[in-house]
Amino acid sequence: GAGVSQSPSNKVTEKGKDVELRCDPISGHTALYWYRQRLGQGLEFLIYFQGNSAPDKSGLPSDRFSAERTGESVSTLTIQRTQQEDSAVYLCASSRPTETRGYGYTFGSGTRLTVV
Amino acid sequence: GDSVTQMEGPVTLSEEAFLTINCTYTATGYPSLFWYVQYPGEGLQLLLKATKADDKGSNKGFEATYRKETTSFHLEKGSVQVSDSAVYFCALSDHSGNTPLVFGKGTRLSVIA
Repeated sequence: GAGVSQSPSNKVTEKGKDVELRCDPISGHTALYWYRQRLGQGLEFLIYFQGNSAPDKSGLPSDRFSAERTGESVSTLTIQRTQQEDSAVYLCASSRPTETRGYGYTFGSGTRLTVV
Repeated sequence: GDSVTQMEGPVTLSEEAFLTINCTYTATGYPSLFWYVQYPGEGLQLLLKATKADDKGSNKGFEATYRKETTSFHLEKGSVQVSDSAVYFCALSDHSGNTPLVFGKGTRLSVIA
């Protein structure tokens, strides 16, 4: 598509429920990134996918967080047993890896997750 | 590891004032440097970039110069507008381009008429 698409744009869930967030990157972008932005905070790196290589999961805050990506297409970020501290905007970005150095990322508009 | 430090906000300016948001970095090799902007209720957008020392990135009246000697990439604008009110993030990509961008914590700018 023309841009990075994320869904849903807003999600309100009860504490303890599981949620699944979706990211559809730009066609041809082999690199995909998830970041978390808590209210008033900077961007916290979560996970990075590059083609068919093993993902870099070094930023995932706990084992309640997981993400998948099939090939170079859609990615889903799953948060199990949500906690109020998980409330944040979850941002997805994609890039062509060889262009990251020169062009950075294209971000989606994010999913605002609220855990009540 | 690589890191980015930017001035803490919030920054409040009157319309037509001069803006500087400081950004310094720590990195091995020769990173690429970026400024992203996040307008209220929106995602991050690339504002400008520079890929080598002494490069100047510019866009929408904003400028930043890649200074290797001071490891800095300060954002400047000569005359801000109310529409520039946003959060600004400085970021770097390492020399390989194969690791996640490292972001600063962001600086909130409010411009009042």
